[in-house]
Amino acid sequence: GQNIDQPTEMTATEGAIVQINCTYQTSGFNGLFWYQQHAGEAPTFLSYNVLDGLEEKGRFSSFLSRSKGYSYLLLKELQMKDSASYLCAVKDSNYQLIWGAGTKLIIKP
Amino acid sequence: ETGVTQTPRHLVMGMTNKKSLKCEQHLGHNAMYWYKQSAKKPLELMFVYSLEERVENNSVPSRFSPECPNSSHLFLHLHTLQPEDSALYLCASSQSPSTSGANVLTFGAGSRLTVL
Repeated sequence: GQNIDQPTEMTATEGAIVQINCTYQTSGFNGLFWYQQHAGEAPTFLSYNVLDGLEEKGRFSSFLSRSKGYSYLLLKELQMKDSASYLCAVKDSNYQLIWGAGTKLIIKP
Repeated sequence: ETGVTQTPRHLVMGMTNKKSLKCEQHLGHNAMYWYKQSAKKPLELMFVYSLEERVENNSVPSRFSPECPNSSHLFLHLHTLQPEDSALYLCASSQSPSTSGANVLTFGAGSRLTVL
């Protein structure tokens, strides 16, 4: 079967750096997505990786290793507003999105 | 109004009620989706419409009935639901349902459904 694993919950301190990991086993690979979802709000697109390496976008970076079936989302200079759930999703060989259960990130002052 | 709008935001219904969820997108997208989001579970894809034609139905019980009258509107008709159907129902849209590349989904804020 197809599976996406990510930690259920993480806690970090304001101003610090946090890395949210995502590992996947899917039938084929056509890209990996990260979405952010604040409580009671719509998930919003953060990043897309299809080639190995690091994609940087301001305070957020996303890394992909296709050979290891692994990605991480790196958040720098954490702010209280970064408290949210972070969803990892992989597009498989049929272009279907396989979703992880999400990582709830709690930021403490 | 821009983006994806869902109504109602909250809905409480009995098991014998009939209700509908509504979704509107003003992004010019060709594909629309219904997802179910339950606590601590991955998003479950329910239905996909491309150019108003249903292209996917992921073994969803018949008590959920989708309708897509045009490319901007999507409904989910609910009938004789069970308490385990209580969840957040998310609507999303995208340029196309099945392409390579970053076919990014734009989500609505969801309709929180409680079945008593």
